[in-house]
Amino acid sequence: ETGVTQSPTHLIKTRGQQVTLRCSSQSGHNTVSWYQQALGQGPQFIFQYYREEENGRGNFPPRFSGLQFPNYSSELNVNALELDDSALYLCASSFRHGNTIYFGEGSWLTVV
Amino acid sequence: GNSVTQMEGPVTLSEEAFLTINCTYTATGYPSLFWYVQYPGEGLQLLLKATKADDKGSNKGFEATYRKETTSFHLEKGSVQVSDSAVYFCALELTGGFKTIFGAGTRLFVKA
Repeated sequence: ETGVTQSPTHLIKTRGQQVTLRCSSQSGHNTVSWYQQALGQGPQFIFQYYREEENGRGNFPPRFSGLQFPNYSSELNVNALELDDSALYLCASSFRHGNTIYFGEGSWLTVV
Repeated sequence: GNSVTQMEGPVTLSEEAFLTINCTYTATGYPSLFWYVQYPGEGLQLLLKATKADDKGSNKGFEATYRKETTSFHLEKGSVQVSDSAVYFCALELTGGFKTIFGAGTRLFVKA
């Protein structure tokens, strides 16, 4: 148990639709990062939020966007879903300058 | 660029065998190094970490030593159990960095 919770755990969407994934960070953690893990691969960094602002971004197109709320919880939004977006989406929380991150169990997204 | 390379799997061992999973990295500056474990259907859990050269991280019988001269962080365990069957990810984070860079993962199967 890391204290990081994600919802939903599984969902199926149709190509072209939009999806919102949610994450509650561990108590006291002010930084949230999102990762995409395709089947059989390591997690790839999407972006990070600190104090409600995007703090860094990986190599993902603008249709991947996010929000962080005053209570440090976060959302990942993906527009115009493509088949290749099918993956496990992981949320991780940490302190701003801490180098230990704690992962949630992820949201499995299948795009058909 | 910064990257992590780990040995390809799957690795299949009998219970009580010795485990080594190789990991090498390329990084600018002085990264912190991590091993994460992912059990079937779950998110990632931090297994151990080392933050500077010659540090040894250890947890649950696993250990890894940060070798700056060989840019390596190999994971070892003296006697594996069936319950160690999982995917193991080597990862790095640069000091002050905002993202963790993961290797592709190595799947371990331990037979009774």
